[in-house]
Amino acid sequence: KQEVTQIPAALSVPEGENLVLNCSFTDSAIYNLQWFRQDPGKGLTSLLLIQSSQREQTSGRLNASLDKSSGRSTLYIAASQPGDSATYLCAVYSGAGSYQLTFGKGTKLSVIP
Amino acid sequence: EAQVTQNPRYLITVTGKKLTVTCSQNMNHEYMSWYRQDPGLGLRQIYYSMNVEVTDKGDVPEGYKVSRKEKRNFPLILESPSPNQTSLYFCASRTGAVDTQYFGPGTRLTVL
Repeated sequence: KQEVTQIPAALSVPEGENLVLNCSFTDSAIYNLQWFRQDPGKGLTSLLLIQSSQREQTSGRLNASLDKSSGRSTLYIAASQPGDSATYLCAVYSGAGSYQLTFGKGTKLSVIP
Repeated sequence: EAQVTQNPRYLITVTGKKLTVTCSQNMNHEYMSWYRQDPGLGLRQIYYSMNVEVTDKGDVPEGYKVSRKEKRNFPLILESPSPNQTSLYFCASRTGAVDTQYFGPGTRLTVL
């Protein structure tokens, strides 16, 4: 059974700092990996989707990498801003047809002005 | 506007009283799914549907039913809700295996 772990569970950084969030998964036979953002009491917003054949994806100040063989992904946030404060979730698509989606428990990020 | 909608957004009910949470998407997506989110446990998949009349169990299907009679709708049915089903529920949809998943705003359910 696929398991997804995110470290650290919480992170507090001063504004402007670059930071890295980590995600690891136990079964490397995945289809895609997706990073989401969740604000308190709200739904999930997709940040980046990395297909299994890709090594990384970039969107603005965000860069996500994927290393299937080692079962790891990282989300790099450059020049953090207070508006980046949220919980970041990593999710892995696996199983036949990639219908099974397994989430990590998230990293709660606080960016201090 | 492309979106996934859920109703109701908030619901307080009592043990054993059947309820349905509706989910609808306007993107003509084939794939839809339901998740529950609990503190300390994260998001867990309840059921998913690959297309009309095709559904399968996720990680935590006990106590839930689903149906997919139309492509745009995927209701979640709790035949006899219990307090351990108190949770935040999310519906999601996507086109295919390599596409981004879109989530609804969530339904906060409390079972007394």
